[in-house]
Amino acid sequence: QQQVKQSPQSLIVQKGGIPIINCAYENTAFDYFPWYQQFPGKGPALLIAIRPDVSEKKEGRFTISFNKSAKQFSLHIMDSQPGDSATYFCAASNQAGTALIFGKGTTLSVSS
Amino acid sequence: GAVVSQHPSWVICKSGTSVKIECRSLDFQATTMFWYRQFPKQSLMLMATSNEGSKATYEQGVEKDKFLINHASLTLSTLTVTSAHPEDSSFYICSAKNRGLYEQYFGPGTRLTVT
Repeated sequence: QQQVKQSPQSLIVQKGGIPIINCAYENTAFDYFPWYQQFPGKGPALLIAIRPDVSEKKEGRFTISFNKSAKQFSLHIMDSQPGDSATYFCAASNQAGTALIFGKGTTLSVSS
Repeated sequence: GAVVSQHPSWVICKSGTSVKIECRSLDFQATTMFWYRQFPKQSLMLMATSNEGSKATYEQGVEKDKFLINHASLTLSTLTVTSAHPEDSSFYICSAKNRGLYEQYFGPGTRLTVT
């Protein structure tokens, strides 16, 4: 009930490609869905987040698509660059004061 | 804005000693702080949640007497690993948020190695 399932585990794209990372959840009480980017040896950085009242949110080259009925959300990275190579985590929470439930992460490699 | 710092960034200690890790929110009031542990190539594992001025709430399986958490002010939380053993070696990351807000910001992490 509390899980957030993330796929794929790893992803390789060429520069300029559009990698897509997917997450699915079961708990319908979740109402906040952020994505984090983590480089090796560093803490996760908040990239973009969405609430269930919208189906899409864009910030720069990053877009979240949200499908409430399917209980799925995804991250799209437009015009991917080698500097985007990192591990990406989706997460969810159901109240402003509670901890995030994280997916297992996706390691993205963008080749030049 | 929304910067969280951790100190130290890495520490090596001998088995049986204690280590304190500090987590500070630099430009906002952190009413809630979270402590995570991360093993190589794995996701973040929540250890405990601390609200300013209250006792920390530990996740199942986390020894509260071994991982002492103090959140005495709105900008500082500390994690003390007591009587550290090699199996405690890991990457410890804190995060912080303000009351009523969803956004959670992470520190840069602390690499602990116990020899």
